[in-house]
Amino acid sequence: GQNIDQPTEMTATEGAIVQINCTYQTSGFNGLFWYQQHAGEAPTFLSYNVLDGLEEKGRFSSFLSRSKGYSYLLLKELQMKDSASYLCAVRSGYSSASKIIFGSGTRLSIRP
Amino acid sequence: DTEVTQTPKHLVMGMTNKKSLKCEQHMGHRAMYWYKQKAKKPPELMFVYSYEKLSINESVPSRFSPECPNSSLLNLHLHALQPEDSALYLCASSHPTYGGDTQYFGPGTRLTVL
Repeated sequence: GQNIDQPTEMTATEGAIVQINCTYQTSGFNGLFWYQQHAGEAPTFLSYNVLDGLEEKGRFSSFLSRSKGYSYLLLKELQMKDSASYLCAVRSGYSSASKIIFGSGTRLSIRP
Repeated sequence: DTEVTQTPKHLVMGMTNKKSLKCEQHMGHRAMYWYKQKAKKPPELMFVYSYEKLSINESVPSRFSPECPNSSLLNLHLHALQPEDSALYLCASSHPTYGGDTQYFGPGTRLTVL
């Protein structure tokens, strides 16, 4: 089966750095995604990792270790608008239109 | 343009009604998806269409009936729903060979079943 774990809630301070961890167990791993979702809105794509290492995109970076089944999303220079849920999602399989499974999400609250 | 559009934004229906949700994308994506999301839960996959053919049905009850009339459109036909089917219904699309098959989501339809 598949299992994705991430913390339920985190709090951080405006201007600081926060790291949201995700661990997963899946067969046929074929990529890990991070999405941001504000309350009542659709998820928006943040990052994609399929090889080990760090992908940096502005204030957001995502890291993957396939051997450890581990990823993290790093958010720098936090802003109040970063308050949202962050969803880790794993794709398994190699067919076209493959299936991704979402973790339960981490609700991040930013305080001034 | 990475836009997926969905209509309507909100829908209230009775248990005996028939209604349809619509999704459209013009990014040339060949895979389209329906998800259901309850409050404070992650999206749950319902259906996947690949090149206009149904490729995944996650054991969804038959009161939900998907349809893909062409590569840009995806519908979800609703009939005899239950109150527990009230949720945010999200459509997504992806290109199987570009960008890791990243899925882009529409804004969703907030469905309430009375």
